[in-house]
Amino acid sequence: QVQLVQSGAEVKKPGSSVKVSCRASGGTRITYPIGWVRQAPGQGLEWMGGIMPFFGSANYAQKFQGRVTIAADESRTTVYMELSSLRSDDTAVYYCTRGGVAADAADNWFHPWGQGTLVTVSS
Amino acid sequence: EILMTQSPATLSVSPGERATLSCRASQTVSSNLAWYQQKPGQAPRLLIYGASTRATGIPARFSGSGSGTEFTLTISSLQSEDFAVYYCQQYYNWPPLTFGGGTKVEIK
Repeated sequence: QVQLVQSGAEVKKPGSSVKVSCRASGGTRITYPIGWVRQAPGQGLEWMGGIMPFFGSANYAQKFQGRVTIAADESRTTVYMELSSLRSDDTAVYYCTRGGVAADAADNWFHPWGQGTLVTVSS
Repeated sequence: EILMTQSPATLSVSPGERATLSCRASQTVSSNLAWYQQKPGQAPRLLIYGASTRATGIPARFSGSGSGTEFTLTISSLQSEDFAVYYCQQYYNWPPLTFGGGTKVEIK
């Protein structure tokens, strides 16, 4: 059973960047699509984008184009999501999750999910 | 972008009763529809994919139905652990993948 483990909470200043990591438990290679979904306090779920680590190419929601970068490390054991030009409304819990950008659209549901990383943007 | 609309926003149900949650898509998503459960402070959990297939380990009291633009999640007999927020998600047409706004199931 795949388990995804994310990096810890972050506090950032407006205008800065944050980089959140997501690795499979046991340090195994990630051979499946990884998506990133965020949830602002008291709000719903919002898909940001995703990647197939072995192919390296990422897809992004238009809302975040130019501000978000999703990439895998060379060993393909960790996926990163970097969000730049942070604003207060980027304060949210950021989740990585398996799924979302598979070649077969019928597989693009999300399971399992990482534990979430709280990113707080505050001056 | 496909918009997903869930209703009602809040559903008050007594334990043991049946709960029916609705999800509507702004255009067809065929059967590419998933349901998630989220409890406070926890990550979402996949319940249903393919509109009606229960994920591994999900109790039989959860069932999904529908296709095209209209979908339903039914919880046949609510248990205490089922009080949570439920989200639907379409994965037919992307990017972007989109979620509904959620239905909170609360104790009546």
